[in-house]
Parts: sequence; structure tokens; C-alpha cells
Amino acid sequence: DAGVTQSPTHLIKTRGQQVTLRCSPISGHKSVSWYQQVLGQGPQFIFQYYEKEERGRGNFPDRFSARQFPNYSSELNVNALLLGDSALYLCASSLVPGTAQETQYFGPGTRLLVL
Amino acid sequence: SQQGEEDPQALSIQEGENATMNCSYKTSINNLQWYRQNSGRGLVHLILIRSNEREKHSGRLRVTLDTSKKSSSLLITASRAADTASYFCATFRMDSSYKLIFGSGTRLLVRP
Repeated sequence: DAGVTQSPTHLIKTRGQQVTLRCSPISGHKSVSWYQQVLGQGPQFIFQYYEKEERGRGNFPDRFSARQFPNYSSELNVNALLLGDSALYLCASSLVPGTAQETQYFGPGTRLLVL
Repeated sequence: SQQGEEDPQALSIQEGENATMNCSYKTSINNLQWYRQNSGRGLVHLILIRSNEREKHSGRLRVTLDTSKKSSSLLITASRAADTASYFCATFRMDSSYKLIFGSGTRLLVRP
């Protein structure tokens, strides 16, 4: 079975531009989460979606938005890019969120560089 | 903000030796998970330990959890060069956010 897939793998943008990152969860998984990982740090939670509804939002500005589609894939959008948005963006999928046994499976990430 | 802190930040050992990494966290949790990350790529789930468990094994991995001290440790026995990676602990708390909160990671180098 295919794991979590993300596209594109790498992206270079300039300040002020907008970017859309895509994620396809493991087949059968209905929950998708997004994390930002700045170099040298652990991932930080951005959003979680379950059954197309936002279930959680981290401490990120409104320039960050996301959505989940009927096939459970997801997009993360970042507007008005700043240099500090340069990071590895990770998508994770899970069966059902909010259980004590929840395991999130991560994709390979999209590396975004903002110049 | 990060929930946990891993200790040490970096660890260099010889192949065949054991590697121990520690994680401390701040709030109550439902479970704690350990992940591995190779060269800044995706995270690989290693093991999950629930808050009512004290020790768990998986192959060469042994995880302990002490909820009274809000700490966990990951032991990798008989390390191999392929174990070279960054290791992160992540805590999960069943509140409205359903999010994993990661520590800052331990960079492990296993020398052949």
C-alpha cells in the first residue's frame, strides 16, 4: 500500500508570493495533519482536518490556511510568504484522531525555500 | 512552542554500543511516541507508549515512561550505522486539538 504522498518535493518562492502544498493520505485514513519543521527543530503543529472539518489549529498566522477534500486529500496554502516560512512541511495521516492509540504516519515532506 | 526537550541534543557512539535518549515534557499526556528522521526527510514512527504503560519493547528498541517525572527514554541496543538519524519524542494529549507536540530532537551518529 502507498504511504502518505506529498507534492511537490521541493519549492522555491520569493517573498510575498503564495504557495500551495498537497498531501494524499494513506488509503482509508480520514484525518490529515500539517506540521512545519524549521531546520534544527522539531515539527510544529499547524492544522488537523478530519472528515473535511478543521479539528485543530496551531499557533500560526492567518496567512496559513488548509482544506480537506471529499477524497481526504488536503492542501496547505501560505499567502504573503516571508523568509521565515522556509521550512520542511510535513503531512501526516491517521485513521481517526483523538484516540489513545493514535499513530500518525508522515509523508516525505515538501521543502520550501523563500528567497 | 515545543512541549518536550530531548537530552542529549547530539550523541556519537560506536557501532554495537547502546544509545540512550531522554525526553521530558510539561503537561499531562495520553501517549508518547518516538519518531526517527533521516537527513531532514519524513518522520518514521518507531513506538507508541500509553500513559498507563511503563515500558515497551519493539525489536532493538526499549521505551520507558515515567509520568510522575514527566519523562521518557528510548534505548537502542546493539546500534548499527543505519541507526544514524535524528530521534524525536512527541506527546499526544486528547484535548480539542488532537495534535502531536514534538521535542527538539536528539541527533544520533553511529560510527562504523
